[in-house]
Amino acid sequence: DTAVSQTPKYLVTQMGNDKSIKCEQNLGHDTMYWYKQDSKKFLKIMFSYNNKELIINETVPNRFSPKSPDKAHLNLHINSLELGDSAVYFCASSQKPSNRGLNIQYFGAGTRLSVL
Amino acid sequence: DQQVKQNSPSLSVQEGRISILNCDYTNSMFDYFLWYKKYPAEGPTFLISISSIKDKNEDGRFTVFLNKSAKHLSLHIVPSQPGDSAVYFCAASSGDGGGFKTIFGAGTRLFVKA
Repeated sequence: DTAVSQTPKYLVTQMGNDKSIKCEQNLGHDTMYWYKQDSKKFLKIMFSYNNKELIINETVPNRFSPKSPDKAHLNLHINSLELGDSAVYFCASSQKPSNRGLNIQYFGAGTRLSVL
Repeated sequence: DQQVKQNSPSLSVQEGRISILNCDYTNSMFDYFLWYKKYPAEGPTFLISISSIKDKNEDGRFTVFLNKSAKHLSLHIVPSQPGDSAVYFCAASSGDGGGFKTIFGAGTRLFVKA
């Protein structure tokens, strides 16, 4: 009964491959996110969807394509993987944020992607 | 250009003592500041927040202080317990993005020694 679950937990692949990470939330939230935690440990927003609509796209290479089939799912597909894509990717969800309001996000356990 | 900075990568504290984790920010338009706690192999979990119009918020052993003039906030944990050992992320959100965008620091790893 994990609130935000993402699969797989670990992903090891070769450069140039295409891979997907799946995320599902059972909290009834309208908004979902993908974050990347790089080697410097910062959590950086990549994408945000609200009710299946793309809200934030933070200058991420177009090799990364999020897909939200419904508001409980936000999957991340990565084409032509590069060495620099190695990182931990976190999915998160929240209630729809109100302007200037508190926005608490609930995170999945992360997917550690290693590109060889 | 990191808008939220946690300059101490790690902190070690004796059980029962106070832990103070610091965070600096550059954007004066942030509306809310949040602290998240992260255990290994888990995602960050929300711990405590403070509105930009407040200077203190307390929840049990956890207190967050905000100094807007210095663009600085701190998380105090007292008394510290071994179970508090984790990575703590400072985060800030702005109404400019409708609250959708939250900026995270790099985290501070806290070790509480028994």
